[in-house]
Amino acid sequence: NAGVMQNPRHLVRRRGQEARLRCSPMKGHSHVYWYRQLPEEGLKFMVYLQKENIIDESGMPKERFSAEFPKEGPSILRIQQVVRGDSAAYFCASSPPAGYNSPLHFGNGTRLTVT
Amino acid sequence: GENVEQHPSTLSVQEGDSAVIKCTYSDSASNYFPWYKQELGKGPQLIIDIRSNVGEKKDQRIAVTLNKTAKHFSLHITETQPEDSAVYFCAAYSYYGGSQGNLIFGKGTKLSVKP
Repeated sequence: NAGVMQNPRHLVRRRGQEARLRCSPMKGHSHVYWYRQLPEEGLKFMVYLQKENIIDESGMPKERFSAEFPKEGPSILRIQQVVRGDSAAYFCASSPPAGYNSPLHFGNGTRLTVT
Repeated sequence: GENVEQHPSTLSVQEGDSAVIKCTYSDSASNYFPWYKQELGKGPQLIIDIRSNVGEKKDQRIAVTLNKTAKHFSLHITETQPEDSAVYFCAAYSYYGGSQGNLIFGKGTKLSVKP
């Protein structure tokens, strides 16, 4: 019974490149959340998706960032033209279809470093 | 929207002592409050949660209390052990329509248990 799987665990990109972060939710989960964590700080909500739908993207920067959760395959968080300020740990969480008040289960994150 | 405040930001205790972490929230509609433990290099792991229809919940050495009137909730760890050392996050479920919402996190408490 695999948990939430994120890859890669570590990603290094030069300024201006694109970063693609992948998240496979727990089996049976159809809700995916992305959070960003800066060093010594808490988790900041970015986006909430269900299969083929973005439910809430209020925490995601309007430019350069996008997210999808297709019918088949993992959820993808995409950051175009990365800048040094994008360096952070990005965590994905999933919850069951009920959604309502369901616990979120987190993956171990992708640590993005922009050089 | 929901705002969660967490105190203290760091906490150091002797092995065997108790540790208490406190959180306040702003949205009276929130009714689900989980606590997460994050170890270095890993994702947050759910350790206990409480819903607003109860005032206290216990699981071995861990307990959580909730005061809905005052809008605060606390985590209590008794007989602390070195392996309890980690960063602990409180969260409140923020609704934005129907049964959908997302978790808003406090900024975390770094707990150190000294042998």
